[in-house]
Amino acid sequence: KQEVTQIPAALSVPEGENLVLNCSFTDSAIYNLQWFRQDPGKGLTSLLLIQSSQREQTSGRLNASLDKSSGRSTLYIAASQPGDSATYLCAVGAGTASKLTFGTGTRLQVTL
Amino acid sequence: SQTIHQWPATLVQPVGSPLSLECTVEGTSNPNLYWYRQAAGRGLQLLFYSVGIGQISSEVPQNLSASRPQDRQFILSSKKLLLSDSGFYLCAWSVRYSGGEGYTFGSGTRLTVV
Repeated sequence: KQEVTQIPAALSVPEGENLVLNCSFTDSAIYNLQWFRQDPGKGLTSLLLIQSSQREQTSGRLNASLDKSSGRSTLYIAASQPGDSATYLCAVGAGTASKLTFGTGTRLQVTL
Repeated sequence: SQTIHQWPATLVQPVGSPLSLECTVEGTSNPNLYWYRQAAGRGLQLLFYSVGIGQISSEVPQNLSASRPQDRQFILSSKKLLLSDSGFYLCAWSVRYSGGEGYTFGSGTRLTVV
């Protein structure tokens, strides 16, 4: 059974700092890995999708990497802003219907 | 472009009452459809998924059921709600027969059973 772990569970940084969120998974037989953002009381917004054959994806200040063999992914956020404050979720897709298994999330707070 | 609609946004229901949450997708055909639940302080749990009309797979035993009467419509139901059914319900879709397109989620329904 796939298990996805995210470290740290919570993180508080001052504005402008670069930061790294970590995600690990136990079964490397995945189709893809997706990073989402969730604001309080809201749905999930997709940030980046990495196919199993890819090593990384970039969108603006965000960069996600994937090391499938070691079961790890990182989300790098450059020059953090207060608007980046949210919970970040990592999810791996595998199996029938490419079902997603989610990590428990990292709650990020960027302070002024 | 593809869009996913989920309603209602918020629902307060008494214990023992029925439930019907609806999700529809526009701008795509033959999608995989999913229902997830996020209980307070817990992660996202897959409840049901569907790869076609009338095809429903359940991931966990529970008080809920799902149906897919049309290609782009996914319904989550219960005959009698329990307090433990409270949570944030999210519908999602992905491209069928592809692992590389990722998921798109709806805006969610917050259900409180009182």
